[in-house]
Amino acid sequence: DAGITQSPRYKITETGRQVTLMCHQTWSHSYMFWYRQDLGHGLRLIYYSAAADITDKGEVPDGYVVSRSKTENFPLTLESATRSQTSVYFCASSVAGAILGTDTQYFGPGTRLTVL
Amino acid sequence: KNQVEQSPQSLIILEGKNCTLQCNYTVSPFSNLRWYKQDTGRGPVSLTIMTFSENTKSNGRYTATLDADTKQSSLHITASQLSDSASYICVVSPNTNAGKSTFGDGTTLTVKP
Repeated sequence: DAGITQSPRYKITETGRQVTLMCHQTWSHSYMFWYRQDLGHGLRLIYYSAAADITDKGEVPDGYVVSRSKTENFPLTLESATRSQTSVYFCASSVAGAILGTDTQYFGPGTRLTVL
Repeated sequence: KNQVEQSPQSLIILEGKNCTLQCNYTVSPFSNLRWYKQDTGRGPVSLTIMTFSENTKSNGRYTATLDADTKQSSLHITASQLSDSASYICVVSPNTNAGKSTFGDGTTLTVKP
């Protein structure tokens, strides 16, 4: 039972390059999320998806693109990476968006991205 | 603006001691409040979830309390262990929009032998 996985776990890239971070979950959860975590900040939402082909912006979406053609996958693309996008990226999933009752989010292990 | 404030920012305690972490929030309308534990280099893991009608929830040595009137929550750790060293994150969700959960910055707990 893999749960939720992210790849790669570590990535170093250069300014201006396109980078795609992958997220895969095996629970068939409807909702998936992408967060970034920087020193001195809490987790900040980049994008989320309520179902396949349904995505919406979070708090910090600029410079990122997402897609969700299949329920289990939610890739995050940095179209032209910048140094300010150096961060740890976490993917999460939940049954109902974590807004109903005791629904919660399950987080992946994270991808540490460095943009030189 | 919805906010979640956690205190203290960091805490050092000796193994075996108890401690309490605080979370104050302004999120409204309120659906649930979650506490997560995040070990260094790993993703957050859910410890407790409470709806507005619950005022206490336990998970082993972890006990969370919620006062929806004062919009305060606390996480009490009993008989701390070295493995409790981690960041503890409070998250408050409204009942309106999945993209509106508000995360606190976390409390970093260090347990020393």
